[in-house]
Amino acid sequence: KAGVTQTPRYLIKTRGQQVTLSCSPISGHRSVSWYQQTPGQGLQFLFEYFSETQRNKGNFPGRFSGRQFSNSRSEMNVSTLELGDSALYLCASSSTGTAPQIYGYTFGSGTRLTVV
Amino acid sequence: AQSVAQPEDQVNVAEGNPLTVKCTYSVSGNPYLFWYVQYPNRGLQFLLKYITGDNLVKGSYGFEAEFNKSQTSFHLKKPSALVSDSALYFCAVGSQTGANNLFFGTGTRLTVIP
Repeated sequence: KAGVTQTPRYLIKTRGQQVTLSCSPISGHRSVSWYQQTPGQGLQFLFEYFSETQRNKGNFPGRFSGRQFSNSRSEMNVSTLELGDSALYLCASSSTGTAPQIYGYTFGSGTRLTVV
Repeated sequence: AQSVAQPEDQVNVAEGNPLTVKCTYSVSGNPYLFWYVQYPNRGLQFLLKYITGDNLVKGSYGFEAEFNKSQTSFHLKKPSALVSDSALYFCAVGSQTGANNLFFGTGTRLTVIP
């Protein structure tokens, strides 16, 4: 069974550009969450999607957005990139749509974004 | 508000010795607690979780964790450390009464010295 797949693995962008990251959850998983990991802040929750609807959003500026498609694949977009957006972006999926925070998530390997 | 504290940024232990990685939490309602491990250039791998029941939880690779409600702690332990256990460890908490995401600690880097 394939795991959570994130593409691309590495990305270098220039300040002011925008970027789109992709996540394919485990087959059958409909809950997809995104986290930002930085050395100083640890993992910060960005948003969670279930059945193409954003159910929950973390404390990030509006430059960060996401969406989920009917096949449960998800994308996140960051517009007007800043140096501080350099981070590892992790996607996670859960087999349950009801209270996934109880049963846990399976994480992908992440996309390392570097903004120069 | 939910939060997790991992008071040690770095833990060093000799190979073969027992290891402990500490975690305390704050949550409304019943806590659901997780440990994940991250190896270099990889995502997070699930180690173990506590939902309910026995306070001692056994997980992957010989790890275990003890839920202590009175101390609001969920420390990760292993009786005998291996060099291959060297990695970054994250504690996380979820709550039935809160949002449906997990809240993570800042991580503890474990180094096992041969």
